[in-house]
Amino acid sequence: NAGVTQTPKFQVLKTGQSMTLQCAQDMNHEYMSWYRQDPGMGLRLIHYSVGAGITDQGEVPNGYNVSRSTTEDFPLRLLSAAPSQTSVYFCASSYWTSGMSSYEQYFGPGTRLTVT
Amino acid sequence: SQQGEEDPQALSIQEGENATMNCSYKTSINNLQWYRQNSGRGLVHLILIRSNEREKHSGRLRVTLDTSKKSSSLLITASRAADTASYFCAYTGGGNKLTFGTGTQLKVEL
Repeated sequence: NAGVTQTPKFQVLKTGQSMTLQCAQDMNHEYMSWYRQDPGMGLRLIHYSVGAGITDQGEVPNGYNVSRSTTEDFPLRLLSAAPSQTSVYFCASSYWTSGMSSYEQYFGPGTRLTVT
Repeated sequence: SQQGEEDPQALSIQEGENATMNCSYKTSINNLQWYRQNSGRGLVHLILIRSNEREKHSGRLRVTLDTSKKSSSLLITASRAADTASYFCAYTGGGNKLTFGTGTQLKVEL
């Protein structure tokens, strides 16, 4: 199993450009999520999904879109990049059962994004 | 913000010593997890403790949970240089959102 994969590893964007960060998992996990990590702030949840066709907002969703058309893939779209979106982005996945508390999260290696 | 806080922010110890880091949170929780992050890499799950548990062990790791004080601690015994990393607590209150703490940077020196 490859686990959770993310592409690209590094990206530099100019302000106003758009792009998609890719995330895929091969563990048949229902739950997938995107976090951003900034110095001194830990990880903050951007968006998450509990299954194909179901997405919801996290703590910091503004400026980002997601969709979940398959169980395996959960892309994150930056609509119009801003310098405040310079960060390291992590995708994670886990098992999920309605009404149950969270399970162990499996993380991808991250995408380091710089917006100039 | 419901983000948890961890202290200390940074901890430097000698190899062989014990390392203790603490996590405080603001909401009722169903479980609390601890993760490790090596520099520049993704997080790796270490241990999960449920709200009805008070202590849990896994190898050199010991986690405690005090729901009345809304706090948890992670103890790493007999630290090794390879334990150098950042450690994060994470918790959920029963919804689908996992909230992470701000992290403790541990440095274990030879």
